[in-house]
Amino acid sequence: QQPVQSPQAVILREGEDAVINCSSSKALYSVHWYRQKHGEAPVFLMILLKGGEQKGHDKISASFNEKKQQSSLYLTASQLSYSGTYFCGTRHTDKLIFGTGTRLQVFP
Amino acid sequence: GAVVSQHPSWVICKSGTSVKIECRSLDFQATTMFWYRQFPKQSLMLMATSNEGSKATYEQGVEKDKFLINHASLTLSTLTVTSAHPEDSSFYICSAQTPAGGSTDTQYFGPGTRLTVL
Repeated sequence: QQPVQSPQAVILREGEDAVINCSSSKALYSVHWYRQKHGEAPVFLMILLKGGEQKGHDKISASFNEKKQQSSLYLTASQLSYSGTYFCGTRHTDKLIFGTGTRLQVFP
Repeated sequence: GAVVSQHPSWVICKSGTSVKIECRSLDFQATTMFWYRQFPKQSLMLMATSNEGSKATYEQGVEKDKFLINHASLTLSTLTVTSAHPEDSSFYICSAQTPAGGSTDTQYFGPGTRLTVL
């Protein structure tokens, strides 16, 4: 079952914040976050392994609520380079199943 | 580290021909590689899981006789689209899994191959 992401699309001005949510109907063992630019392959952002785990790099961070089977990605003080489509990925056995995607556009 | 290459970057072919796409892990050995297909404005859909030295495992609805996968070595997997038709036109992306073990495995993606079937 494909994880559902919300919102489907976000439009931001540079410097604004955004939150992207990822929900799964199945139990989550790990959550992977990727960003994909148009016409390019997805780029790995981070992985969360434990319920309650939070991690971040620069101004992008994520949290993992194992009980609610959800993960959220937080983008703070967005930059133009943040534009792209964000996917969460949830692991089922050896496979990574990607979420529905969230398209983020940052304007000057 | 963890660089994955794909070749070719794009290919245009006539309907009925076969196309081979290569996926290589350049700086690590990948016992498992994955093939995805992505249509415009859609998510990545897993087609098959490729394990070195064994037959690929295909996802439901993916024709194994049409999409031939060979994982001949720890650094190379190939996808051959046989008798391609216009509906096979898509962005094909491979990924290779770092051998960290268990749920910590991270997948690194190749740059993708855009296939256009005329």
